[in-house]
Amino acid sequence: AQSVAQPEDQVNVAEGNPLTVKCTYSVSGNPYLFWYVQYPNRGLQFLLKYITGDNLVKGSYGFEAEFNKSQTSFHLKKPSALVSDSALYFCAVRGRRNFSGGYNKLIFGAGTRLAVHP
Amino acid sequence: GAVVSQHPSWVICKSGTSVKIECRSLDFQATTMFWYRQFPKQSLMLMATSNEGSKATYEQGVEKDKFLINHASLTLSTLTVTSAHPEDSSFYICSARAGGTGGHNEQFFGPGTRLTVL
Repeated sequence: AQSVAQPEDQVNVAEGNPLTVKCTYSVSGNPYLFWYVQYPNRGLQFLLKYITGDNLVKGSYGFEAEFNKSQTSFHLKKPSALVSDSALYFCAVRGRRNFSGGYNKLIFGAGTRLAVHP
Repeated sequence: GAVVSQHPSWVICKSGTSVKIECRSLDFQATTMFWYRQFPKQSLMLMATSNEGSKATYEQGVEKDKFLINHASLTLSTLTVTSAHPEDSSFYICSARAGGTGGHNEQFFGPGTRLTVL
């Protein structure tokens, strides 16, 4: 079964320090990988995605993520955290195709709450 | 980026009434729209996928007669919660994806609708 794991319910970081939000996946083949951020009572905002090529993907608001095929991981990172980065972060994966030829579903992790302290 | 709107942003209704939630893609044509449900501090649960002009595909365990989905145009999908009960209270989020055969296309999410059934 396909799944996405975000092992940390919450990550606490001091402002200005680097942050990492972890994500591992279990999906057959080479999936597409995404990160989304959700602020309170809002929908999800797209941060970045990995399709192919360079393992380091740069996205919005200074975030980046590193794809590691051998470890099936796609950790989200930022060199210097801001208080305004405090939010709920979701990792998501989608397989490249299904047997019917249609789009695969986007599978979300449980989410990690990032708290950046001044 | 692409914008997806939802209306209303919140609604309170009496048990037994029906509630309609609208989801619109404002600046792109969404060939596929998705409806998610999110419980407090939990991830998004996909309820159904709809393609313009065809019937929605519901996920296992989601009652199609209770959650009516209509995707009448490339920019509008509606979710109607029929005969709502308190257990239907939740945060409902729609998402839209533009056309194309590439599964790497990201989904754009609406801001969500908080439904409270008294």
